[in-house]
Amino acid sequence: EPEVTQTPSHQVTQMGQEVILRCVPISNHLYFYWYRQILGQKVEFLVSFYNNEISEKSEIFDDQFSVERPDGSNFTLKIRSTKLEDSAMYFCASEPGGLAKNIQYFGAGTRLSVL
Amino acid sequence: DAKTTQPPSMDCAEGRAANLPCNHSTISGNEYVYWYRQIHSQGPQYIIHGLKNNETNEMASLIITEDRKSSTLILPHATLRDTAVYYCIVLDSSYKLIFGSGTRLLVRP
Repeated sequence: EPEVTQTPSHQVTQMGQEVILRCVPISNHLYFYWYRQILGQKVEFLVSFYNNEISEKSEIFDDQFSVERPDGSNFTLKIRSTKLEDSAMYFCASEPGGLAKNIQYFGAGTRLSVL
Repeated sequence: DAKTTQPPSMDCAEGRAANLPCNHSTISGNEYVYWYRQIHSQGPQYIIHGLKNNETNEMASLIITEDRKSSTLILPHATLRDTAVYYCIVLDSSYKLIFGSGTRLLVRP
C-alpha cells in the first residue's frame, strides 16, 4: 500500500540553525500539508499546498517557515532559524482530492529537537 | 467549521465493541463528519467519514443521528492495537484538519 514517507525520523539541531524536513507524498496526490504536534499537545495545522503554491497557512507558519515542491515528488518544510519552541513532531500529509476530499494520509513524522 | 465535543477517555475490553460518541450540535447541512485516530505519536490515520447516512468500511462503522447533531464511531471487535486517541472532525470546504483533544481509547486485555 502506498504511503507518505518522511525523513529524517529524528533531527537534532542547534537554536538558530536552518533545518529542512523532507516528505515524499503518495504519487498522484494533489494536496499536501504540514502539521506539527508539540509533545503532549494537539496536532496543529501549519500549511496546505496545491498546484505549486500555498493555499492556506496558519498563524504559526510565519516568515521563518517555507515549503517547496522542488521536483514534483518531494515536499519540504524549511525552518530558517530554529527556536527552542519549534521542537515538535512534524507530520506531512497528502490527499488525492476529488471525491476523497479531506481524506489525508499522514507520514510517520519527523521529531525535531532544538537545543 | 462546527465544533465537536468528545469524552476525554474511554475504555473497553478486547473483543468487545467500542462505541465512541461525538457531539456536533452546530453542524451545518453541507458539513461532513470525519474520524481519524492517532496511535501513540504516530501520524494520524483516517478511519471513516459521512454526511448523513450511516457508513461502514473495513475499519469501523459510523452512525449519524437523523438530526446530525451527534455521531458514534463503532469499532465492532476492538483489539489492543486499537488503543489510540480518536478524533471527530467536522468539515465543509476547508482543506485543513482541525484536531481537538479527541477521546483516548484504552482497550483492555
